[in-house]
Amino acid sequence: DAKTTQPPSMDCAEGRAANLPCNHSTISGNEYVYWYRQIHSQGPQYIIHGLKNNETNEMASLIITEDRKSSTLILPHATLRDTAVYYCIVRAAGTSGTYKYIFGTGTRLKVLA
Amino acid sequence: NAGVTQTPKFRVLKTGQSMTLLCAQDMNHEYMYWYRQDPGMGLRLIHYSVGEGTTAKGEVPDGYNVSRLKKQNFLLGLESAAPSQTSVYFCASSYSRVTQETQYFGPGTRLLVL
Repeated sequence: DAKTTQPPSMDCAEGRAANLPCNHSTISGNEYVYWYRQIHSQGPQYIIHGLKNNETNEMASLIITEDRKSSTLILPHATLRDTAVYYCIVRAAGTSGTYKYIFGTGTRLKVLA
Repeated sequence: NAGVTQTPKFRVLKTGQSMTLLCAQDMNHEYMYWYRQDPGMGLRLIHYSVGEGTTAKGEVPDGYNVSRLKKQNFLLGLESAAPSQTSVYFCASSYSRVTQETQYFGPGTRLLVL
């Protein structure tokens, strides 16, 4: 199973872009990179995912390097409500062809006023 | 749509007691999952189900049992609770096994075992 490495914490000024890095050097060719966040003690919330190409949605952008060994989640204009723990997950194959998430400890992002 | 709901929100048990946590989803999802989260840690998969009547073990299945009698419900049982099972339990569901499934999480159940 591909593992991910993230910095334990980051700060970002409100209104600025937050760039959260993730290393996944053992990722397989068919494994997707997913990002979720967990605000306070709520259930994790889906943000974005990608395979090879960069992706953008209403919440964030995902930049994946050409060799797919690392990625960056970009929150273009961080607000105080973006303060959360952000998880970078490489989806691993489980039994019977199913897929499961392996959560690490994530990056605790603090957006500062 | 309510999405994924969990019952109860909080529970205190004594060592050796049993209880069942209920997860319900109204999105007609095939897959359902139970995770636990300990302080300062990421989520760890306990059990999951790929459809009604099926269950499978995750990373940390010991001490737990599950059942999926109806598609919309996934039950997590603790037969004899232990203090090591003090944790926050999250349920999730997803549409299918195809490559781009996204998991939707419930609000969590906080369990304290004394």
